[in-house]
Parts: sequence; C-alpha cells; structure tokens
Amino acid sequence: KQEVTQIPAALSVPEGENLVLNCSFTDSAIYNLQWFRQDPGKGLTSLLLIQSSQREQTSGRLNASLDKSSGRSTLYIAASQPGDSATYLCAVVKAAGNKLTFGGGTRVLVKP
Amino acid sequence: KAGVTQTPRYLIKTRGQQVTLSCSPISGHRSVSWYQQTPGQGLQFLFEYFSETQRNKGNFPGRFSGRQFSNSRSEMNVSTLELGDSALYLCASSLSGFTQETQYFGPGTRLLVL
Repeated sequence: KQEVTQIPAALSVPEGENLVLNCSFTDSAIYNLQWFRQDPGKGLTSLLLIQSSQREQTSGRLNASLDKSSGRSTLYIAASQPGDSATYLCAVVKAAGNKLTFGGGTRVLVKP
Repeated sequence: KAGVTQTPRYLIKTRGQQVTLSCSPISGHRSVSWYQQTPGQGLQFLFEYFSETQRNKGNFPGRFSGRQFSNSRSEMNVSTLELGDSALYLCASSLSGFTQETQYFGPGTRLLVL
C-alpha cells in the first residue's frame, strides 16, 4: 500500500528565506507526483506536476525535484513571501489512471 | 476558461438525511474525481468517473455513490448521513484521466452533519 509522508507538519520562516518542503513515498513505482497548495477552507491549487521520467520541474520561484529510487520529492520556494503562507500537499499517482494518494501536508507560515 | 465549480459551497444536514453534491469540470475535461478531506484522515479518494462510467473507486461504504452525465458534470450522493461524514468534499477534473495529466480541483463543498 502506497503511503505518502510530509515532514514537518508545520513550518514557520521569516520573509525572504528559502522554503524547503519534503515529501516521501513508500512505493517507488509511481507514474507522477504533483504538488498542491491549499489556503484555509479552500480547494487545491496545482503547483507542479513531475512525471516519473523527470528529475525536476520549475515554475517561477518554485522548483520541485523527484528521486524515485529513494522515494523522495522536494519542493523549493525561493525568497518566500507572506503570500506563500498556506498548506502544501504532495500527491502521487501509482497505478494506471489518476487516483491521487496524498501526504498529510505541511502548513507554512511566512512571517513579515 | 472557467475552473472547476462545485455547488453548493456549504451544507448543513442532520444524521440520517441524504445529500447530493454537484461538480462541473473545466470545459473539455471528461474525467472527474471526488475526494473527502477531514482533519483526521486527510484527503482520501472516493471515486473517478470518465465518460459516464465509474472507472476507479476508493475504500468508502456503499452509502457514497456518484454518477456522471453526458456533459461530464458529476454528482455524488451520500445516503444515511453520519456525523463522521462531516468534511470538505473536493472534486477534480482532467482531460482524460491519464496519469500524465494535471488534475484541477474545485473550491469544495463543506458538509456539516449534526
């Protein structure tokens, strides 16, 4: 059974510092991994999708890496801003199809 | 292009009642998935529909059901509501439900069961 873990559960950083968010999964046979952002009481916003054949994806200040062999992904957010405060979730697709298995999320607070 | 929309946004029901939630995917998207989010269990997959057929199902009791219409809009129904069904219900859409596609989520329906 695929399990996805995100540690720490919460993180607080001063504005301007780089954010490093971790995601680990137990079964390396994944098709892709997706990072999402969720603001309180809201839906999920897709940030980055990394296919299993890729090592990283970048969008603006965001960069996500994927190491399938070690079952890890890392989301880097450069020069954090208070607007980056949210919960960040990673999710993997294991089997054919698109069922997402989510981690518990990391709640981020960026202090001005 | 309009995003995924869900109605209603908030619902209050009592135990034993039933509820129907609606999801309209992004125009052109044919795959719709449903997820339940609770503080204790996090985000859990309910089911996925594609071309009016349920293609995948999570580990939820039969009280949870869904359907998809020819215009790709989807509904999920929960019968005989229990207190533990209180949650944020999210739907996600993608073009064809292939593994390489990004999934886009709606704002969710928050259900409170009293």
